[in-house]
Amino acid sequence: NAGVTQTPKFQVLKTGQSMTLQCAQDMNHNSMYWYRQDPGMGLRLIYYSASEGTTDKGEVPNGYNVSRLNKREFSLRLESAAPSQTSVYFCASSEQSYSGNTIYFGEGSWLTVV
Amino acid sequence: AQSVAQPEDQVNVAEGNPLTVKCTYSVSGNPYLFWYVQYPNRGLQFLLKYITGDNLVKGSYGFEAEFNKSQTSFHLKKPSALVSDSALYFCAVRDMGNDYKLSFGAGTTVTVRA
Repeated sequence: NAGVTQTPKFQVLKTGQSMTLQCAQDMNHNSMYWYRQDPGMGLRLIYYSASEGTTDKGEVPNGYNVSRLNKREFSLRLESAAPSQTSVYFCASSEQSYSGNTIYFGEGSWLTVV
Repeated sequence: AQSVAQPEDQVNVAEGNPLTVKCTYSVSGNPYLFWYVQYPNRGLQFLLKYITGDNLVKGSYGFEAEFNKSQTSFHLKKPSALVSDSALYFCAVRDMGNDYKLSFGAGTTVTVRA
């Protein structure tokens, strides 16, 4: 009963390096999301994918790109990491992106950019 | 625009006492309201949600929340707190007419002392 699985759990990057956060869900959900969590700011949506084949910007998309590889997988890429991207990143999924559907979260990826 | 406020950064209670975590919201239409809990270095776990119907919603681990439309509030409650309830709690809202966007409060840290 894995739910939402994301890798890596921890990563340290140097400024300017690139990396991809991987996410997979096994709940047959249509919608997937990437959030970042910063102290005192709650969670902010970076990108989301309402269904396979679609992606859209959230509140804080700058500096990120995403790929919805298939229905199960949704990756987040940092092309040129900056210290401002030091954060905890959460992948999430829901059956649909609208109405009262519950969003389920992964365990998080702690990213430090030095 | 939709938003959520959690007016207390921290809540401290003694084990066995009632626990209340406050949440107020602002939406243009009807709200879908959610509570999540986050334990240290873990992802967010879904506790409960209000979609429609009975204003008192019961969720996991003995938690409940009351939807109050006139006060635009959705406070989380537990009649008798446990030390294991110590965690970070997030309230979130989705406007019924707004696809995808789930707005989170900044979070409230609950500490239950033995």
